[in-house]
Amino acid sequence: GAGVSQSPSNKVTEKGKDVELRCDPISGHTALYWYRQSLGQGLEFLIYFQGNSAPDKSGLPSDRFSAERTGGSVSTLTIQRTQQEDSAVYLCASSSRLARNNEQFFGPGTRLTVL
Amino acid sequence: AQSVTQLGSHVSVSEGALVLLRCNYSSSVPPYLFWYVQYPNQGLQLLLKYTSAATLVKGINGFEAEFKKSETSFHLTKPSAHMSDAAEYFCAVTFQTGANNLFFGTGTRLTVIP
Repeated sequence: GAGVSQSPSNKVTEKGKDVELRCDPISGHTALYWYRQSLGQGLEFLIYFQGNSAPDKSGLPSDRFSAERTGGSVSTLTIQRTQQEDSAVYLCASSSRLARNNEQFFGPGTRLTVL
Repeated sequence: AQSVTQLGSHVSVSEGALVLLRCNYSSSVPPYLFWYVQYPNQGLQLLLKYTSAATLVKGINGFEAEFKKSETSFHLTKPSAHMSDAAEYFCAVTFQTGANNLFFGTGTRLTVIP
């Protein structure tokens, strides 16, 4: 079946602009995660959605970052007023159940470059 | 604090040689441990995971890892490196209580020399 998909694959934007990154999880997966992979910081957790529960936003680096998940499926990560330090690869992952030892399936990522 | 440490950001081995990638964790609660591999311009793919069953875990592509609680380690090994093993490898941990997300190590880039 289809894996996790993300769009766009690459995004170049100017400092100060807003961007939206999209994630389509594996069908039926109730858990969805966003991570950021950058040269200086490695892989960092951003936000976690589980079903209809309130998201865990503890990893979001600033209030310029937000995410939503509509209908328990597609998720959009929004970065407002982008800064150069936001340049990174943004990875989305989904998992089939709440169980903590479940494999997270990762998408190919969106490479964001802020000029 | 809960964390993961990967020793060696770069490891080079000859084709056919043993691969050993090191991972140590720090945790006050029982961990679940994972190894992921990332090929260039691709997402992360699970190699194997430890979920408190057998301490020696076998994964895909001939990789295995052993959970050693006394050493707080989960090192990844493969008896004989193949050129196709060249990639970046990430050790990750989540815990039986607390946050649901994965905590990743900084990654180890494996180079295989022909």
